[in-house]
Amino acid sequence: DQQVKQNSPSLSVQEGRISILNCDYTNSMFDYFLWYKKYPAEGPTFLISISSIKDKNEDGRFTVFLNKSAKHLSLHIVPSQPGDSAVYFCAASAGGGADGLTFGKGTHLIIQP
Amino acid sequence: DVKVTQSSRYLVKRTGEKVFLECVQDMDHENMFWYRQDPGLGLRLIYFSYDVKMKEKGDIPEGYSVSREKKERFSLILESASTNQTSMYLCASSVQAKLFFGSGTQLSVL
Repeated sequence: DQQVKQNSPSLSVQEGRISILNCDYTNSMFDYFLWYKKYPAEGPTFLISISSIKDKNEDGRFTVFLNKSAKHLSLHIVPSQPGDSAVYFCAASAGGGADGLTFGKGTHLIIQP
Repeated sequence: DVKVTQSSRYLVKRTGEKVFLECVQDMDHENMFWYRQDPGLGLRLIYFSYDVKMKEKGDIPEGYSVSREKKERFSLILESASTNQTSMYLCASSVQAKLFFGSGTQLSVL
């Protein structure tokens, strides 16, 4: 029973364009959401996060949007660069995250030159 | 910067062997975690620990155990390795719901 869903296993975007990665969740107790980026044979690295009291958080080329009523969040990358090619994991936590994060299955983003 | 160090990047073991995966963090974090990552399945939580000598089962604890004798060190133990435990193993420590991961150990069980 997946509580965090990333329905697109892969996404191909042209360099310079906008990449939009989507994530849905089912657990209404989740109050903090994160995006991680992972290259092959490396551990995931934290990218950006958002609290449930906000609907948008921006950090340079990366923006995360949260729609609580739809239980949906998205990560926008603009402009997309070749180094953005990686697997992106959406993650969520409830109550401070002491029990860890619940991850989606990931979306493999491929930036085409 | 937070540093989480996993002792091995690659390991090859035989079925039935006892396997130890070691993880050390340098930021005095109380919470530590072991995940495994498999293609198409994402990251799944095996075990976690709130403090020294404390351990909690995650979503897929079967076939694994853990040890936390010191705050900075969290070990994952495969008592009798099986081929379905071939995977990328990721250790993490956390502060305020943000996890910091090590580089991972790619374990192959033959």
